[in-house]
Amino acid sequence: TQLLEQSPQFLSIQEGENLTVYCNSSSVFSSLQWYRQEPGEGPVLLVTVVTGGEVKKLKRLTFQFGDARKDSSLHITAAQPGDTGLYLCAGANSGGYQKVTFGTGTKLQVIP
Amino acid sequence: KAGVTQTPRYLIKTRGQQVTLSCSPISGHRSVSWYQQTPGQGLQFLFEYFSETQRNKGNFPGRFSGRQFSNSRSEMNVSTLELGDSALYLCATSLQGINEAFFGQGTRLTVV
Repeated sequence: TQLLEQSPQFLSIQEGENLTVYCNSSSVFSSLQWYRQEPGEGPVLLVTVVTGGEVKKLKRLTFQFGDARKDSSLHITAAQPGDTGLYLCAGANSGGYQKVTFGTGTKLQVIP
Repeated sequence: KAGVTQTPRYLIKTRGQQVTLSCSPISGHRSVSWYQQTPGQGLQFLFEYFSETQRNKGNFPGRFSGRQFSNSRSEMNVSTLELGDSALYLCATSLQGINEAFFGQGTRLTVV
């Protein structure tokens, strides 16, 4: 069974601070996605990374895929209250068909 | 392009009853996956359908079942509801061979 552990589990920070969320596994993934979910809504896809060492930027968000494709990180610069939500990573493997494993989630609260 | 539509958004059922939830995928998406999300267990995979066939199944009891129609719409059914089935049920759809999943808003099921 593939597992994706996210850390920290909870994070409460002041507006303007920086933060990093980690997503780690002992398994190799062919690609990894990050989602953000707001209460009562479905997760919204933020980014997909597919190449080991890949870095993608989405405004104040920076995503990195580990060289070995076993881990990933999400860094937010100058966090804003609108960044509040549950962040989920999800790893996919190609094995005849795509199979996706979701991480344990990181709940972020940005205080104005 | 319309997103993933789940109906109903909210449901209240009594223990022992059964319930059917519906998911209409993004046009062209043939893969539909279902997830159960609870505060304690996070996002847990129920099953995935592709071209009317169940391709993958999570570790849930047989009370949880699903099906997919020729137009790729999917339904999931939970029989003999238990209090512990109270959760947000999410469906996610994707193109074949594309691992990015797009989620619906979910159905909030409360069992009393």
